[in-house]
Amino acid sequence: EDQVTQSPEALRLQEGESSSLNCSYTVSGLRGLFWYRQDPGKGPEFLFTLYSAGEEKEKERLKATLTKKESFLHITAPKPEDSATYLCAVQAPDSGYSTLTFGKGTMLLVSP
Amino acid sequence: EAQVTQNPRYLITVTGKKLTVTCSQNMNHEYMSWYRQDPGLGLRQIYYSMNVEVTDKGDVPEGYKVSRKEKRNFPLILESPSPNQTSLYFCASREDRDTYYEQYFGPGTRLTVT
Repeated sequence: EDQVTQSPEALRLQEGESSSLNCSYTVSGLRGLFWYRQDPGKGPEFLFTLYSAGEEKEKERLKATLTKKESFLHITAPKPEDSATYLCAVQAPDSGYSTLTFGKGTMLLVSP
Repeated sequence: EAQVTQNPRYLITVTGKKLTVTCSQNMNHEYMSWYRQDPGLGLRQIYYSMNVEVTDKGDVPEGYKVSRKEKRNFPLILESPSPNQTSLYFCASREDRDTYYEQYFGPGTRLTVT
């Protein structure tokens, strides 16, 4: 059973067209939720960590929020350089400290 | 520059021919791990190491071995590769077991086993 589900699988936006990516999780007692960005042919790059419901983090055009069931990555006025795959991962209590469970990612394409 | 390096970046091999993918980090991190990434399955952890000579299995360890003789290096060994190990492999490191917020990934190794 999937613990982390990301939607949509792919998203195409026009430059400047704001939108949100969703990451829903089914674990209880979340230790942390993480957002990464992955460019083609590269390893994931850390973006945000969220630990408790109501928490928000911002970086440039990106804003991550967390509820008890899901996280959103809001992209405001995106630019073509924001095109990438965005990965969500959770750290659950029963996974110990060693394991992050990753979602399958949302592939974002921003057209000029 | 803080970085995780992997070699080779691309590798095509045949079933059963032993291979090693090297991983090295220059940040003096205690914690290192290996992931594989497959379409439709996402990133899955293969093995991890909390320090020198301390390694443990992740979610998908079958068919893989690792060693951690030095803090900076964490090679991934495939003793007898099979086609189902064709994948994109990432090495990652972080300061310790709790600092996921500073986890650095290498550039990836694309392995094809025929």
